[in-house]
Amino acid sequence: SQQGEEDPQALSIQEGENATMNCSYKTSINNLQWYRQNSGRGLVHLILIRSNEREKHSGRLRVTLDTSKKSSSLLITASRAADTASYFCATDGGTGRRALTFGSGTRLQVQP
Amino acid sequence: GAGVSQSPSNKVTEKGKDVELRCDPISGHTALYWYRQRLGQGLEFLIYFQGNSAPDKSGLPSDRFSAERTGESVSTLTIQRTQQEDSAVYLCASSRLGNTDTQYFGPGTRLTVL
Repeated sequence: SQQGEEDPQALSIQEGENATMNCSYKTSINNLQWYRQNSGRGLVHLILIRSNEREKHSGRLRVTLDTSKKSSSLLITASRAADTASYFCATDGGTGRRALTFGSGTRLQVQP
Repeated sequence: GAGVSQSPSNKVTEKGKDVELRCDPISGHTALYWYRQRLGQGLEFLIYFQGNSAPDKSGLPSDRFSAERTGESVSTLTIQRTQQEDSAVYLCASSRLGNTDTQYFGPGTRLTVL
């Protein structure tokens, strides 16, 4: 799989439930970021977690990072219909490329 | 500016024609990126500009693709002799610093090659 691979590919939940998305990567990183995309257009940055951090919170978002397993998770608590979107993780460094490497994303559907 | 802007928002062209896509980054952002996203896929890195350094062109899929950036402002992505497989959304992003920094994305240009 490619650097920054999310799972599941699609997730459908009811409003009010929590949504958990996972990301795995292969090479060393300086940081890992999560982005959200509505309707296949521009991405919006959600949260950045550095390689020396294990957990970070932002509102209803909680991100964890396990560098030993090369994995990260994004938890959205108390989901809302407006959270329906695609979520991507992105990693930097390690590949030698001076740009982020994005995974193929998790499509989240929150049913009202 | 308020955010990254891209033009046109949609472009329909015939196979074999050249197209030019424009990106206006956030003022003061030194780094600018172009990505391609095919339907239902993730983002595919194309090219990265950082200040006055030589651009990282390692993601350009063929010599039909080229991009320029004037200083730390506008960038244009040119696709020559377009093919149907070039159909995708082309996204531009900018960041204040380099690759470890948060990227701010434009709304994208949806290119359709008939």
